[in-house]
Amino acid sequence: GAGVSQSPRYKVAKRGQDVALRCDPISGHVSLFWYQQALGQGPEFLTYFQNEAQLDKSGLPSDRFFAERPEGSVSTLKIQRTQQEDSAVYLCASSSTGDEQYFGPGTRLTVT
Amino acid sequence: QKEVEQDPGPLSVPEGAIVSLNCTYSNSAFQYFMWYRQYSRKGPELLMYTYSSGNKEDGRFTAQVDKSSKYISLFIRDSQPSDSATYLCAMGPGGFKTIFGAGTRLFVKA
Repeated sequence: GAGVSQSPRYKVAKRGQDVALRCDPISGHVSLFWYQQALGQGPEFLTYFQNEAQLDKSGLPSDRFFAERPEGSVSTLKIQRTQQEDSAVYLCASSSTGDEQYFGPGTRLTVT
Repeated sequence: QKEVEQDPGPLSVPEGAIVSLNCTYSNSAFQYFMWYRQYSRKGPELLMYTYSSGNKEDGRFTAQVDKSSKYISLFIRDSQPSDSATYLCAMGPGGFKTIFGAGTRLFVKA
């Protein structure tokens, strides 16, 4: 079956631009996670949804980061006024249980 | 000090070798332990999932958890060049909060 998909795969933004990253989870998975992965590091938790409810956003680095999942399926991570330190791979994962997470390929964001 | 410590390597072994990858952790509340494999420019892929202490085997892979020592391991038998990747340990108390290690880069030479 189809796995988690993310788009775009690569995004180059000028400093100060807003970006929107999309995640399509595995069908039927109620849990959805966003992670940020810096080069040479493991994924760092950003936020978690159960259906359309955002239950934890403690990992979002600043109020420039915003995530939504309005219908409990597709999710969008939005970064406003991008900064160079936002350059990273943004990973989305979905799960039916919460513990076993299945990841998408990621969106590589480069802020110039 | 990080909650999860993992040697970044790189670890280089000849084809056919047994590989041992390890992580230590500090939070005694962690109950769920996972290993992910990540190829370059791909998302992490779940390899092994274990609950609490003990061993779990799946083909050439064996995961071990020693909660008393706060130490987990992944063993790969008969390693292949296709096993060359970054291996991430991950763990959590249950629910949704998962903490990842930094990953160990493994190279298996033909």
